[in-house]
Amino acid sequence: DTEVTQTPKHLVMGMTNKKSLKCEQHMGHRAMYWYKQKAKKPPELMFVYSYEKLSINESVPSRFSPECPNSSLLNLHLHALQPEDSALYLCASSQYWQGQETQYFGPGTRLLVL
Amino acid sequence: GESVGLHLPTLSVQEGDNSIINCAYSNSASDYFIWYKQESGKGPQFIIDIRSNMDKRQGQRVTVLLNKTVKHLSLQIAATQPGDSAVYFCAENDAGNMLTFGGGTRLMVKP
Repeated sequence: DTEVTQTPKHLVMGMTNKKSLKCEQHMGHRAMYWYKQKAKKPPELMFVYSYEKLSINESVPSRFSPECPNSSLLNLHLHALQPEDSALYLCASSQYWQGQETQYFGPGTRLLVL
Repeated sequence: GESVGLHLPTLSVQEGDNSIINCAYSNSASDYFIWYKQESGKGPQFIIDIRSNMDKRQGQRVTVLLNKTVKHLSLQIAATQPGDSAVYFCAENDAGNMLTFGGGTRLMVKP
């Protein structure tokens, strides 16, 4: 089983709202990732968690706040977003962060910021 | 393939024909390469991978070729089916497991 699940599938929020995206995997993977994908573009890395600790933050604005409560769960807390943050947010996981490890992606949350 | 502006390169093939999608990578230190398929409204789906100590790897109906001399990767799909219609991304992975994606190629299969 190589399933990564994400909720919600779709989210519409105003610029003053606070919302959270959730990601879950039960493959025993110790690395989890958040990516942002705009239309007709490849995914762009935002954050990497390895063994539940933040390892990489690709200069993401503080209005995006990741959290890894345990080895199976990854959240992305959203606050005071801008319309240009509208995108598909993808979660991925891999066995480990370092080395030749395949990253498996979830279906994504399509976010619209009004 | 690499994207230019907002336009994805598109490959249009007849159902039953073979498809070849190309990708140029930039980092000579990359040692692991992955092809992903992304259907509309879905996340990228792993198709096949290859390590830098190989130049060819075959899966079910798919073959990946790696030419390290010219930093080129290709994905061959045999007997292309309508369900193969999607955007295909190559990705290169350095030893730190940071994935760098290519721009993507849209494959359209005509019935």
